[in-house]
Amino acid sequence: AQTVTQSQPEMSVQEAETVTLSCTYDTSESDYYLFWYKQPPSRQMILVIRQEAYKQQNATENRFSVNFQKAAKSFSLKISDSQLGDAAMYFCAYRSYNTNAGKSTFGDGTTLTVKP
Amino acid sequence: GAVVSQHPSRVICKSGTSVKIECRSLDFQATTMFWYRQFPKQSLMLMATSNEGSKATYEQGVEKDKFLINHASLTLSTLTVTSAHPEDSSFYICSARRDTGELFFGEGSRLTVL
Repeated sequence: AQTVTQSQPEMSVQEAETVTLSCTYDTSESDYYLFWYKQPPSRQMILVIRQEAYKQQNATENRFSVNFQKAAKSFSLKISDSQLGDAAMYFCAYRSYNTNAGKSTFGDGTTLTVKP
Repeated sequence: GAVVSQHPSRVICKSGTSVKIECRSLDFQATTMFWYRQFPKQSLMLMATSNEGSKATYEQGVEKDKFLINHASLTLSTLTVTSAHPEDSSFYICSARRDTGELFFGEGSRLTVL
């Protein structure tokens, strides 16, 4: 079974600064997806960024980028120019490429605080 | 982006009663939906996979007779908490899987059992 570990329960960053959230995972599969989701206080989960394991290039979405190290099984999220609206709980998730059901395994989450 | 809606967002019920929560994919068809339970400041715990037109697949430790799931159409899955007790109080979240493989989450439903 796959596991996802987020070792930082809480992080804080100054507005306009950069913060990196860490995520490691364990799998024996070679094809899979990795995701970062954001859950703001409103509680609805929102997809932040997605990475296919077969792609060597790191995914980027505006101020959000990832550092995907497949051999090390590491998938960190970098948030640049942090904004107050980035404050939320962030979940790293793994999904097997091969499963028809599309079940995802989530990490325990990192609560990000953005200080004005 | 795709929209998934949950209803109700908050529900309070008496112990022993049943509560139904709906999860709708508003602008796409979802053959697969997922139901999660989330405790405060904790991760999502997958309860079951809801498959349109067939029985749900429950995760280990989740009572299928307690948490009834019905996925009667390609846009609607329902979770019924039967004979609810205070320990069932929680935040329940659904997600719907689009044909692209992406998951879209509902807003969540806060259940409080008195």
